[in-house]
Amino acid sequence: SQTIHQWPATLVQPVGSPLSLECTVEGTSNPNLYWYRQAAGRGLQLLFYSVGIGQISSEVPQNLSASRPQDRQFILSSKKLLLSDSGFYLCAWRATRGALSSYEQYFGPGTRLTVT
Amino acid sequence: GENVEQHPSTLSVQEGDSAVIKCTYSDSASNYFPWYKQELGKGPQLIIDIRSNVGEKKDQRIAVTLNKTAKHFSLHITETQPEDSAVYFCAAGLNTGTASKLTFGTGTRLQVTL
Repeated sequence: SQTIHQWPATLVQPVGSPLSLECTVEGTSNPNLYWYRQAAGRGLQLLFYSVGIGQISSEVPQNLSASRPQDRQFILSSKKLLLSDSGFYLCAWRATRGALSSYEQYFGPGTRLTVT
Repeated sequence: GENVEQHPSTLSVQEGDSAVIKCTYSDSASNYFPWYKQELGKGPQLIIDIRSNVGEKKDQRIAVTLNKTAKHFSLHITETQPEDSAVYFCAAGLNTGTASKLTFGTGTRLQVTL
């Protein structure tokens, strides 16, 4: 079966500090990977998606960047955090091949980021 | 791009009653419409979805309907239970062979009271 992990679960960082959030997927290969942000009491905003290693598409201009160094690893980064970067960051995956090729996106448990 | 509107933002029903959440979308090319349930502090969980070639889909107490002409789709929960209390999100997206992107509604907070 497939599982998705995110860490850390919670993070408190000062303004101007760097950020690195990690997402890994198990049990599938060549998944589509996604980073979403959810502000308090709001919907989900797609930040980045990736269809393969080193292939990143950005959906909104912002203070963040993403990288996919391995097939099942997706990283969200920032060089200098802003107060507005606070939120709940969610990673998601979608199967793209074989019997599991499907439309569905499955979310990880999320990382709660508070920028102080 | 796609725009998804979701109503109501909050919904309170008594246990055993039905709940209906409605969404509209703007891009007629969208072909996939999932619904997610999110409990406090957790990631969204896919509960049901429908593709554009189907008008209705049911899974036990939940059902989704799609009207492509009007570009709206709805989630129906029957015989609601306290554990149905959560935030529900609709989404619309276009799936191709290589990529899939979803646009989400703003969510509906469902409260099931005893």
